[in-house]
Amino acid sequence: QQQVKQSPQSLIVQKGGISIINCAYENTAFDYFPWYQQFPGKGPALLIAIRPDVSEKKEGRFTISFNKSAKQFSLHIMDSQPGDSATYFCAASVRTGGSYIPTFGRGTSLIVHP
Amino acid sequence: KAGVTQTPRYLIKTRGQQVTLSCSPISGHRSVSWYQQTPGQGLQFLFEYFSETQRNKGNFPGRFSGRQFSNSRSEMNVSTLELGDSALYLCASSPDPGTAGNTIYFGEGSWLTVV
Repeated sequence: QQQVKQSPQSLIVQKGGISIINCAYENTAFDYFPWYQQFPGKGPALLIAIRPDVSEKKEGRFTISFNKSAKQFSLHIMDSQPGDSATYFCAASVRTGGSYIPTFGRGTSLIVHP
Repeated sequence: KAGVTQTPRYLIKTRGQQVTLSCSPISGHRSVSWYQQTPGQGLQFLFEYFSETQRNKGNFPGRFSGRQFSNSRSEMNVSTLELGDSALYLCASSPDPGTAGNTIYFGEGSWLTVV
């Protein structure tokens, strides 16, 4: 059972456009929602994260929108750049056994054309 | 500060063999976790160690095991390798895993190919 569903699987955007990646979750116990960015040959790196008590968080060109009632959250990349081309993973976590362990979506491969 | 270091980076094993992967966490980080990344299944949690104790375990068969040493370095072992074990194995460390805003830092991974 996939606890975090991510779409689309791949996304192609023109430079300067808006990239939007969506995620949905089932477990209402999740209380931390990070997004990770992964470049080829590298491990994932934390990009931005949100708690469920806020509906939006913005850091530079990256914004998370969170809809608790719909159990959905999304990543918006404004003014997308070729350097943003990477795989993006949403995640959801809840404290288990003393630690927050993220459950990841399947990932979205983003290509930004110059 | 040095990042999370994983060795070896690439390895090829034969079906039925076993493999051991190593991970050195960021200095001061007591939590180490392991993930398997494949194109079909994405990132899947294997297990997490904190101060040498396994605190969490993912849904993987007993062929997958790990341990953590007193210096926080960790190893994972896969016995009786199967073709489906071919994957990128990622190690991650974190300073404060019990806090929601805690950042998990990933290494670059060990690419395992089983033939």
